[in-house]
Amino acid sequence: GQQLNQSPQSMFIQEGEDVSMNCTSSSIFNTWLWYKQDPGEGPVLLIALYKAGELTSNGRLTAQFGITRKDSFLNISASIPSDVGIYFCAGTGNQFYFGTGTSLTVIP
Amino acid sequence: EPEVTQTPSHQVTQMGQEVILRCVPISNHLYFYWYRQILGQKVEFLVSFYNNEISEKSEIFDDQFSVERPDGSNFTLKIRSTKLEDSAMYFCASRDRTSNTEAFFGQGTRLTVV
Repeated sequence: GQQLNQSPQSMFIQEGEDVSMNCTSSSIFNTWLWYKQDPGEGPVLLIALYKAGELTSNGRLTAQFGITRKDSFLNISASIPSDVGIYFCAGTGNQFYFGTGTSLTVIP
Repeated sequence: EPEVTQTPSHQVTQMGQEVILRCVPISNHLYFYWYRQILGQKVEFLVSFYNNEISEKSEIFDDQFSVERPDGSNFTLKIRSTKLEDSAMYFCASRDRTSNTEAFFGQGTRLTVV
């Protein structure tokens, strides 16, 4: 299965800072999804985006579905220590494709 | 809330042995996936399964691996003749019949090959 490219691969930030990460693909998707994986756990869905150009928020998280339908970004505002984990994007249509992940470390 | 369950949570096996990892997907879901995550690395796609057959597989999913849906509820991943490098977390995921929907992941099985 195709994998989506995420950047950056890893981030180390101070508590309180904002975070931005993105995901790109060579293919068009109908839906973009963002997951978070806590250490030792399975990925859990954070945000789902269903329309090109859509901007959706979930608390301190904001995600956008790119106009080209080939990319998406996720922002986290005012980071806190429990934001630590790996963030994955996923694209779906008839199939489901998973990103390479961005590892986030928040320094108190 | 419905969830994907995986058993066992941790399996230790000797090199060369066969292991079967079990998953119970969400009951009305029709698309099933296995992923692998070597410690500290990215999540890698292994295989997708729909309508009782493999719909897509990665180059990792060689003849050593097989999947089965033996009884309409379980979805299993068999690894024949395990190698040390098969040590990883294995995640199962399922998705319902509708396109454009999210996949739900299990908590994973940690496989340790010694």
